[in-house]
Amino acid sequence: GQQLNQSPQSMFIQEGEDVSMNCTSSSIFNTWLWYKQDPGEGPVLLIALYKAGELTSNGRLTAQFGITRKDSFLNISASIPSDVGIYFCAGRDFNSGGSNYKLTFGKGTLLTVNP
Amino acid sequence: NAGVTQTPKFRVLKTGQSMTLLCAQDMNHEYMYWYRQDPGMGLRLIHYSVGEGTTAKGEVPDGYNVSRLKKQNFLLGLESAAPSQTSVYFCASSYGGGTIEQFFGPGTRLTVL
Repeated sequence: GQQLNQSPQSMFIQEGEDVSMNCTSSSIFNTWLWYKQDPGEGPVLLIALYKAGELTSNGRLTAQFGITRKDSFLNISASIPSDVGIYFCAGRDFNSGGSNYKLTFGKGTLLTVNP
Repeated sequence: NAGVTQTPKFRVLKTGQSMTLLCAQDMNHEYMYWYRQDPGMGLRLIHYSVGEGTTAKGEVPDGYNVSRLKKQNFLLGLESAAPSQTSVYFCASSYGGGTIEQFFGPGTRLTVL
């Protein structure tokens, strides 16, 4: 089946720095989602993307749906300590036949922010 | 709204014991899901339901059973727990009808000794 490669696996940054992470798939996706998981909690939806080239912001977070439809990017500007956590990408395969149950998840990027 | 809730939050079982994890959502969502999360493996779909009274297998269904007798509840059962089922279990729900955003519960950390 399709796979999502998420990179980097982990990041250690200083407070105030900008962060970039990305997700690539082996097949075309028609929807991309970005989640954040705090330690001991469930993933929380940050941003949803539906069209190739779409750029969407949520506060200091900005995500883009790649024009090839095989990738997506998440940027965090001016990081703060509460940005610490695991960021997951997830997507729906274009060939999923319209089923809206199946999401493919990346393995996550662990972000550590040093105050 | 409470969103998606899960009980219990933690549980320790001995090999061979059985248990049921309960998931409840108050968003009137049609679809519900059970995932397990293991280090280095990401989130893997165990079972899902597209409506009350229906269930289907995900990618790792062996050793688990589910039931969706009421729209707002989705139960995950382990009939005979094994150490390989030590994991963090997440329930999620989505509206359905073409939208795919899934909303997750806080998780249940299960240890099987």
